[in-house]
Amino acid sequence: GQQLNQSPQSMFIQEGEDVSMNCTSSSIFNTWLWYKQDPGEGPVLLIALYKAGELTSNGRLTAQFGITRKDSFLNISASIPSDVGIYFCAGLNYGGSQGNLIFGKGTKLSVKP
Amino acid sequence: NAGVTQTPKFQVLKTGQSMTLQCAQDMNHEYMSWYRQDPGMGLRLIHYSVGAGITDQGEVPNGYNVSRSTTEDFPLRLLSAAPSQTSVYFCASRVKGGLGYTFGSGTRLTVV
Repeated sequence: GQQLNQSPQSMFIQEGEDVSMNCTSSSIFNTWLWYKQDPGEGPVLLIALYKAGELTSNGRLTAQFGITRKDSFLNISASIPSDVGIYFCAGLNYGGSQGNLIFGKGTKLSVKP
Repeated sequence: NAGVTQTPKFQVLKTGQSMTLQCAQDMNHEYMSWYRQDPGMGLRLIHYSVGAGITDQGEVPNGYNVSRSTTEDFPLRLLSAAPSQTSVYFCASRVKGGLGYTFGSGTRLTVV
């Protein structure tokens, strides 16, 4: 089946630093999504990308949908303590039975004040 | 507007017991799914439904049953719990054609 490779697995950074994480796939997706999960909660959608090459920002977050449609990256600028959590990429193909999310294994972000 | 509501939040079962994890959404979403989350494994799809009366298997369906009698509800049943089913379970829903799923806050299940 389809698999997403997300890296890095974990990051320990200083408050104020920029963060970059990425996701690659062996197959193409029509949509890439980035979620954040806080401890004890379900994932919350951060950014959705639905066009190859698209670059989208949401506050300090910027994500891009790769030209090949097989990869995506997420950048967080000027990190703050509340950025702590697990970040998941997810791919989605619409149509038929393919309207389901395939998740990466997550990047655990820790921020030192 | 409650979104996606999962109950219970925590549950401990003995091996062989059965139980139902409840999921309800009040957004009139057609698509609903169940995922399990294990350390280092991300979220894996168990079962999903594209509308009332329609369900299908995901990546890891063994040991789980689902039904979708109404648009709002999508319960997940464990017929005979096993320790390998110890996990955090998430229910999610989205509108048909929507960009992303809305997740519930999860049920943490321990099977001893």
